[in-house]
Amino acid sequence: QSALTQPASVSGSPGQSITISCTGTSSDVGGYNYVSWYQQHPGKAPKLMIYDVSNRPSGVSNRFSGSKSGNTASLTISGLQAEDEADYYCSSYTSSSTQVFGGGTKLTVL
Amino acid sequence: QLQLQESGPGLVKPSETLSLTCTVSGGSISSSSYYWGWIRQPPGKGLEWIGSIYYSGSTYYNPSLKSRVTISVDTSKNQFSLKLSSVTAADTAVYYCARQELGQDFDYWGQGTLVTVSS
Repeated sequence: QSALTQPASVSGSPGQSITISCTGTSSDVGGYNYVSWYQQHPGKAPKLMIYDVSNRPSGVSNRFSGSKSGNTASLTISGLQAEDEADYYCSSYTSSSTQVFGGGTKLTVL
Repeated sequence: QLQLQESGPGLVKPSETLSLTCTVSGGSISSSSYYWGWIRQPPGKGLEWIGSIYYSGSTYYNPSLKSRVTISVDTSKNQFSLKLSSVTAADTAVYYCARQELGQDFDYWGQGTLVTVSS
């Protein structure tokens, strides 16, 4: 299975909004509403930020939102804060009953 | 609060078998609502799903690793384990265990353990 495609890096200034894309195929992202997003700070375990395309776990800021159109899912972070600087990974369920991650996106808060 | 903790050798020789155990506390591994998964991350690289197991023993593996991976569960000890055979330097990574909601998102993660493959 091939990794989902994410931009290597994105950046934004405090207070701005950014969007990270995650492109797959009709066998994963496009075929199921089972896309999740993870935030990972250096040296730490990933943290679930969005599940089932657009749902936020309890305790996750409403500045984080998710969406999907066709084979591409997106994570939007509004009102950027310095603490949002991290790596972000998408993941999807696949038609083979497996999981696949994206290559990861490094978010820099300028 | 659910907690997961990986344990096992931090150094494995090439061609040998990597063995790790994840101990779950604060909840039952026998819950019908969850799978239990292993994910790894080579230094400086992205996440890779290795495989997942249900408390009944049903397993799902990454096709690229399937020939070398075995995941098992011990409900009496509230643990699940990973074995990866014939390791090479490319298997050097931080290995995470995590709870997986019905084969979908990973909502609780262990802290991760670095396994280095070297002679």
